[in-house]
Amino acid sequence: DSGVTQTPKHLITATGQRVTLRCSPRSGDLSVYWYQQSLDQGLQFLIQYYNGEERAKGNILERFSAQQFPDLHSELNLSSLELGDSALYFCASSVRTGLSGIEQFFGPGTRLTVL
Amino acid sequence: DAKTTQPPSMDCAEGRAANLPCNHSTISGNEYVYWYRQIHSQGPQYIIHGLKNNETNEMASLIITEDRKSSTLILPHATLRDTAVYYCIVRVPEAGSYQLTFGKGTKLSVIP
Repeated sequence: DSGVTQTPKHLITATGQRVTLRCSPRSGDLSVYWYQQSLDQGLQFLIQYYNGEERAKGNILERFSAQQFPDLHSELNLSSLELGDSALYFCASSVRTGLSGIEQFFGPGTRLTVL
Repeated sequence: DAKTTQPPSMDCAEGRAANLPCNHSTISGNEYVYWYRQIHSQGPQYIIHGLKNNETNEMASLIITEDRKSSTLILPHATLRDTAVYYCIVRVPEAGSYQLTFGKGTKLSVIP
């Protein structure tokens, strides 16, 4: 158990709909990262928040947005869903290990199926 | 971030050492080598990282060549639970932003 929780575990919805994925980082971790893993694209970084502010952006579509709340949990909002958005969505939080290491702890993921 | 090259798949007999290679010939002086693994559909798990010295922890050993152009992750006594995709990632640990760029990794199958 990494200490990162994600809900829901599974989500089935239809094209055009909007969903919200939730992530709670490990206690004390200020950073939250979102990753998408699809069969054809592999694991891709979407976005990072640090203490409530957006810190880095990856290959995140404009239909997707995220935020991090004062209690440090984060939500990833996916709208106007398409079939191709079906994927595993992982959340991670990080801790610095010494001068060089950044260990990311990943949650169990949310499996999104768009029908 | 430097590009890495890993074999797509490897087999290892249970109880034997698994040696997973990674080529990173364009690595720069301030880039570190990180290893993560992903057991089927679970979230990736950090294993180990290093700069130029060999490193060992309770999970694995990391051997980095002197020219730093390649490295090997060693699982000393592979078990069936080590069956996973192993990712080698090379990057500079930048202040405040540590997103990981995953390649295709090596699918390690531990065989009984």
